[in-house]
Amino acid sequence: GAGVSQSPSNKVTEKGKDVELRCDPISGHTALYWYRQSLGQGLEFLIYFQGNSAPDKSGLPSDRFSAERTGGSVSTLTIQRTQQEDSAVYLCASSLWTDTDTQYFGPGTRLTVL
Amino acid sequence: GENVEQHPSTLSVQEGDSAVIKCTYSDSASNYFPWYKQELGKRPQLIIDIRSNVGEKKDQRIAVTLNKTAKHFSLHITETQPEDSAVYFCAASAGHTDKLIFGTGTRLQVFP
Repeated sequence: GAGVSQSPSNKVTEKGKDVELRCDPISGHTALYWYRQSLGQGLEFLIYFQGNSAPDKSGLPSDRFSAERTGGSVSTLTIQRTQQEDSAVYLCASSLWTDTDTQYFGPGTRLTVL
Repeated sequence: GENVEQHPSTLSVQEGDSAVIKCTYSDSASNYFPWYKQELGKRPQLIIDIRSNVGEKKDQRIAVTLNKTAKHFSLHITETQPEDSAVYFCAASAGHTDKLIFGTGTRLQVFP
């Protein structure tokens, strides 16, 4: 079946602009996660959704970052007033709400802030 | 919160040799430990995982061991092949869809 998809695959924006990144999880997966991967670095947790609610937002680096999920499916990560340090690959993952913890990752969105 | 340390940061081996990557974690509540392989420009792919109720798990050339007392776990790849070359990440979580805390990655190069 279809895996996790993300759009756009690449986004170049100017400092100060807002951007929206989209994630389509695997159908039926109720848990959705956003991570950020800076160049040559590991993956940094941003936010976790269970259904449409976000019980863990602890990784969001500032109030410029927000995310929502509607209909228990698609999620959007919004970064307002982008800064150069926001440049990174933003990865989305999803998993089933069962005892299985496996998270399946999307291909990521590469964000470049000029 | 949880902290995961991973070593080495780079590892070069000859084809056919074994490779070992080690991780330590800090939170005794963590009970799920996956390993992901990430090829250049690609998404992370789960290659093996282990839960805290077992000490070792093997899948063909790949094995993972877990020492809960010492809070460390390791990835073992035997008979390495050039296609094993990638960045490998360990991670830990408290399980049941909790967030993953990742190590900083190990770049493995397998030379023919």
